[in-house]
Amino acid sequence: QLQLQESGPGLVKPSETLSLTCTVSGGSISSSSYYWGWIRQPPGKGLEWIGSIYYSGSTYYNPSLKSRVTISVDTSKNQFSLKLSSVTAADTAVYYCARGYSSSWYDHWGQGTLVTVSS
Amino acid sequence: EVVLTQSPGTLSLSPGERATLFCRTSQSVTSLYLAWYQQKPGQAPRLLIYGASNRATGIPDRFSGSGSGTDFTLTISRLEPEDFALYYCQQYGFSSWTFGQGTKVEIK
Repeated sequence: QLQLQESGPGLVKPSETLSLTCTVSGGSISSSSYYWGWIRQPPGKGLEWIGSIYYSGSTYYNPSLKSRVTISVDTSKNQFSLKLSSVTAADTAVYYCARGYSSSWYDHWGQGTLVTVSS
Repeated sequence: EVVLTQSPGTLSLSPGERATLFCRTSQSVTSLYLAWYQQKPGQAPRLLIYGASNRATGIPDRFSGSGSGTDFTLTISRLEPEDFALYYCQQYGFSSWTFGQGTKVEIK
């Protein structure tokens, strides 16, 4: 049973860098069949794709966030990570990690973690 | 960027009724790259439909998807109490993924 679990600080100060890690269990992050993504959801709002990374290391980012986002993968730990720099209150959201398949849909999601940007 | 517009914003129905949700894309998209998700309060989204019309593992057959080009539909044939939730469409194209703004299916 594949499971994804987000971890990281729940509170980040404005202008600092938000850092989250997604630990994958029950499957290998190195599989060429899948890709791995980060999606966020501000309180009471809809879903916003942040970015995705393939097993090869290729990354794709939301153009509106691209200048501030870095996604990386650590195959030795079966984890992938998100860094979002220069955060503001607008970055307050529940952040989800997810597994993608066939370059299209996300079939497994983590439970999500709320990150609040506040001083 | 491909923009997805879902309608209606809210659908008020009774259990047992049929629900029809729409997703219109700003450009024609490949059907393979269109998916639908269900989200309940406090939970992560759950994949319902992929490739526009294929039910994900464990999804009841009262859920069905259809459409092509720029117009896609999610149908729930007979609403069960557990189906009242938020629904999102999502597409992939040009190395980018986008979601619609969601349709809330609420109890009338």
